[in-house]
Amino acid sequence: AQSVSQHNHHVILSEAASLELGCNYSYGGTVNLFWYVQYPGQHLQLLLKYFSGDPLVKGIKGFEAEFIKSKFSFNLRKPSVQWSDTAEYFCAVIPGSGGYQKVTFGTGTKLQVIP
Amino acid sequence: GAGVSQSPRYKVAKRGQDVALRCDPISGHVSLFWYQQALGQGPEFLTYFQNEAQLDKSGLPSDRFFAERPEGSVSTLKIQRTQQEDSAVYLCASSLQREGGYTQYFGPGTRLTVL
Repeated sequence: AQSVSQHNHHVILSEAASLELGCNYSYGGTVNLFWYVQYPGQHLQLLLKYFSGDPLVKGIKGFEAEFIKSKFSFNLRKPSVQWSDTAEYFCAVIPGSGGYQKVTFGTGTKLQVIP
Repeated sequence: GAGVSQSPRYKVAKRGQDVALRCDPISGHVSLFWYQQALGQGPEFLTYFQNEAQLDKSGLPSDRFFAERPEGSVSTLKIQRTQQEDSAVYLCASSLQREGGYTQYFGPGTRLTVL
């Protein structure tokens, strides 16, 4: 069964610092990759997604992620974080390119941005 | 409505009680998913519906868990004889499926506490 690893459980950054959150998955075939964000008191929202094409994906609020197939990684980045980016971030994977497949989520990374 | 809604938002049950959790997906969304999110963890898949058909229930942790979507829209997750280990946030998500990728839109969740 596939798994998703998010090695950073809790990250604390000052405003304007750069962010990189790691995500590694274990699945050898085609994958669809997602980053979801959960702001305090709110529900999970899609930040960005990768299905095919350009491995550098740009999402909302200045976030981007790079799919590196050889490393089975899909790390999330932002050049300069803001206090409003304080949230929990989840990486998710769906294997396969057609038909229904289960989503596997990572355990999440809590980001705290200090003003 | 504009998004996925769930009710109740909070539920406290005594051990042994039955509970029913409701999900209203985005109108027109074919696929509906239920997840269980324990404290400090990512969402864990429970079950999947395509219209009214329950195509995958492999994530349901025991036969005390039952889900239905009789008319292909609203879904109910029922937990019989609740146990303390059932305490979690139960998330519902829906997707259009034919959108060209399996982007799931999440509801706010129901936080279940079993005493």
